[in-house]
Amino acid sequence: RKEVEQDPGPFNVPEGATVAFNCTYSNSASQSFFWYRQDCRKEPKLLMSVYSSGNEDGRFTAQLNRASQYISLLIRDSKLSDSATYLCVVKIPGNTGKLIFGQGTTLQVKP
Amino acid sequence: DGGITQSPKYLFRKEGQNVTLSCEQNLNHDAMYWYRQDPGQGLRLIYYSQIVNDFQKGDIAEGYSVSREKKESFPLTVTSAQKNPTAFYLCASKTGTGVGEPQHFGDGTRLSIL
Repeated sequence: RKEVEQDPGPFNVPEGATVAFNCTYSNSASQSFFWYRQDCRKEPKLLMSVYSSGNEDGRFTAQLNRASQYISLLIRDSKLSDSATYLCVVKIPGNTGKLIFGQGTTLQVKP
Repeated sequence: DGGITQSPKYLFRKEGQNVTLSCEQNLNHDAMYWYRQDPGQGLRLIYYSQIVNDFQKGDIAEGYSVSREKKESFPLTVTSAQKNPTAFYLCASKTGTGVGEPQHFGDGTRLSIL
């Protein structure tokens, strides 16, 4: 089983749609969780951290379910500019700062 | 402006040649990381360093070497022992404190074999 698993997609949605991505992780002691966005042939950029209580940033909502070991990202009112690959990232236990990256979920928003 | 600078943006390697990828940061971050990304795959950790003059192997360190002589700099050498070096190489850094601190990335170097 992969340490961090995502459905690679692609998810093709029309503008204005609501889309949700899920990610599962295998290490129950994982400490921190993030969603990164990666545009084609570019570096990953932090989209948002994921907190235990769930958190929202504009059209984006992230949730963490520790009992089931999954993280979700909800995008409301999709824009064309949301088209990208979304990486689920988990920090493993310990103080090394090491992150485990999912392979990413590709979103394509169509006009 | 503060940030992480990787150079060169594109690099071509001949068979049997060692090449060095540069990574410099002026964010005063303690920890630095090197990743490799292959098409359709997630990032895989090559090496990381939490303080100057110290570094550890990541998951795929074979065929690579690093140094951390200065806080700002963490160069990666891809040696001739790395038989499949074609990939997108990403350098990242983060502050040393805070379990929830995310990593921030440079804009990457694309390495190809001639």
